[in-house]
Amino acid sequence: DTEVTQTPKHLVMGMTNKKSLKCEQHMGHRAMYWYKQKAKKPPELMFVYSYEKLSINESVPSRFSPECPNSSLLNLHLHALQPEDSALYLCASSQSLGGGNYEQYFGPGTRLTVT
Amino acid sequence: GENVEQHPSTLSVQEGDSAVIKCTYSDSASNYFPWYKQELGKRPQLIIDIRSNVGEKKDQRIAVTLNKTAKHFSLHITETQPEDSAVYFCAASIYNQGGKLIFGQGTELSVKP
Repeated sequence: DTEVTQTPKHLVMGMTNKKSLKCEQHMGHRAMYWYKQKAKKPPELMFVYSYEKLSINESVPSRFSPECPNSSLLNLHLHALQPEDSALYLCASSQSLGGGNYEQYFGPGTRLTVT
Repeated sequence: GENVEQHPSTLSVQEGDSAVIKCTYSDSASNYFPWYKQELGKRPQLIIDIRSNVGEKKDQRIAVTLNKTAKHFSLHITETQPEDSAVYFCAASIYNQGGKLIFGQGTELSVKP
């Protein structure tokens, strides 16, 4: 299996809702990432997990809460979002953070709309 | 911190022509430079990458060149086809910064039949 999968594909939520995005990979990768992408802009890094521990938090607001339950799964819990949080949320994975193994492979993303 | 500039922002070519996209980076410690292709509504797809110990890498119709002295790298696509139409992003990474990729702003390539 050489893919990163994400669910759901689309999500519409109100500003008072709580929802979660899910990412899964079965490539044995030990680093996983969350990115946010606005239309025709580059992906913006949000969080990095390495060996199931949070390695980087790019000063993301606390209404976004990541979780890495095991080496194959990455979740992003959403609460009290704002309309400006509407974007494509991409998950990525790589074999590790160092040792020259840098290739990051992206999932298809979750298109989030906050109403 | 690292900054990556990418040019041009849009590029239109005729089918069969070559396309070149250029990126410059600011931090000489950057040592890994991937290129991603993103079609409309799809995921960014890694199409080629190069490490700082290599000057050029080719894969069929695409090639990447790296000039460490000038701190710039370029993507070359030969014999372009309509299916090459997409947004292309360059990126740079420093080995001791936890896998963090710094992306350029993207180039929207349009290949006209």
